[in-house]
Amino acid sequence: NAGVTQTPKFQVLKTGQSMTLQCAQDMNHNSMYWYRQDPGMGLRLIYYSASEGTTDKGEVPNGYNVSRLNKREFSLRLESAAPSQTSVYFCASTPWGQGSDEQYFGPGTRLTVT
Amino acid sequence: GQQLNQSPQSMFIQEGEDVSMNCTSSSIFNTWLWYKQDPGEGPVLLIALYKAGELTSNGRLTAQFGITRKDSFLNISASIPSDVGIYFCAGLNTGNQFYFGTGTSLTVIP
Repeated sequence: NAGVTQTPKFQVLKTGQSMTLQCAQDMNHNSMYWYRQDPGMGLRLIYYSASEGTTDKGEVPNGYNVSRLNKREFSLRLESAAPSQTSVYFCASTPWGQGSDEQYFGPGTRLTVT
Repeated sequence: GQQLNQSPQSMFIQEGEDVSMNCTSSSIFNTWLWYKQDPGEGPVLLIALYKAGELTSNGRLTAQFGITRKDSFLNISASIPSDVGIYFCAGLNTGNQFYFGTGTSLTVIP
């Protein structure tokens, strides 16, 4: 049981390049989330998927798109990277409807945009 | 977006001392969660609280869900060097949205 996994762990992009961050969970959780973490700002929600087949914007969605590929996988895409998107990105999942509200995080992807 | 008020922002303590930190909000929460984050790692869930007044322990860690449902406290007893890290709270509101504190950075001096 690996929990929440993310790839890649590190990435450097040039301005304007695109990339997809991958996330998978093996806990049969219904909901999945993408956050960014910046110094002094805490975790900010980018997008979330309450259940398979649905996605919704969070607090800072501009410049990002997501895909809930199936119940296990939730990817985050940067279409045209900008230096302001330099951050640490965390994927998380929550059971919902299984008697628990606990949110579990992946190890993070550290992205630098030059 | 709403951030929870977490204090203190940082703490420097001697090994063996007890530690207390807290989170407050202007809104009511149904669930409080406490996490620890080591440098370069993802947050790890320490304790989950579901009822107002609830007191829950996990080893040397004890957390409480405030009676007003607007605050929560985390205590660490007899700190050890591996307690070093950033601790942050998260609250889940009635709209099923998570909100996060900005963290307490803990340094334990051997």
